Amino acid sequence: EDQVTQSPEALRLQEGESSSLNCSYTVSGLRGLFWYRQDPGKGPEFLFTLYSAGEEKEKERLKATLTKKESFLHITAPKPEDSATYLCAVQASGTYKYIFGTGTRLKVLA
Amino acid sequence: DTGVSQNPRHKITKRGQNVTFRCDPISEHNRLYWYRQTLGQGPEFLTYFQNEAQLEKSRLLSDRFSAERPKGSFSTLEIQRTEQGDSAMYLCASSYGTDFANNEQFFGPGTRLTVL
Repeated sequence: EDQVTQSPEALRLQEGESSSLNCSYTVSGLRGLFWYRQDPGKGPEFLFTLYSAGEEKEKERLKATLTKKESFLHITAPKPEDSATYLCAVQASGTYKYIFGTGTRLKVLA
Repeated sequence: DTGVSQNPRHKITKRGQNVTFRCDPISEHNRLYWYRQTLGQGPEFLTYFQNEAQLEKSRLLSDRFSAERPKGSFSTLEIQRTEQGDSAMYLCASSYGTDFANNEQFFGPGTRLTVL
């Protein structure tokens, strides 16, 4: 069964303290892996798409990487405005649906 | 373009009533998705439309749920005979693509359903 597991469930960081979020996946043929940011009471906001192992994408303080079994979202020198829930999703070959993990709730303290 | 819009934003109903939600995607987007999200969980896929065709539906979706996308524009999600377990945020997302290489989804703000 296709599955996505995110860790940790919650993370508290001091401003400027870099860290990484993990997304482990089991899927029968990966079509794409996606990272989203979700603020309370709002819909998810797209961050990155990764298609193949070894691929990396960057945007401001965020960098996403992909291996054959997991993806990491690295946050460098975070700021309080980076506080949000970060969601990982996968799309498997032969299907249109996206499978989301439960997310990592990030809190960055000033 | 103002993005994906959903109406209503909040709906409170009594158990057993029917409810209908509307989603207006970004105008040029041919793909439309419905999701359900409960507190502390990620979005759960419900159904997918490509233009007006419903191409995939979650096997977990009860027969009480139905969705339409007439003319490939806006979409509606109807829940019949609501149950308390249907209380959740219902999210709509749209994207444009002619193949699977271009599938960034844009989400709407959601409709929060409370079933009493």
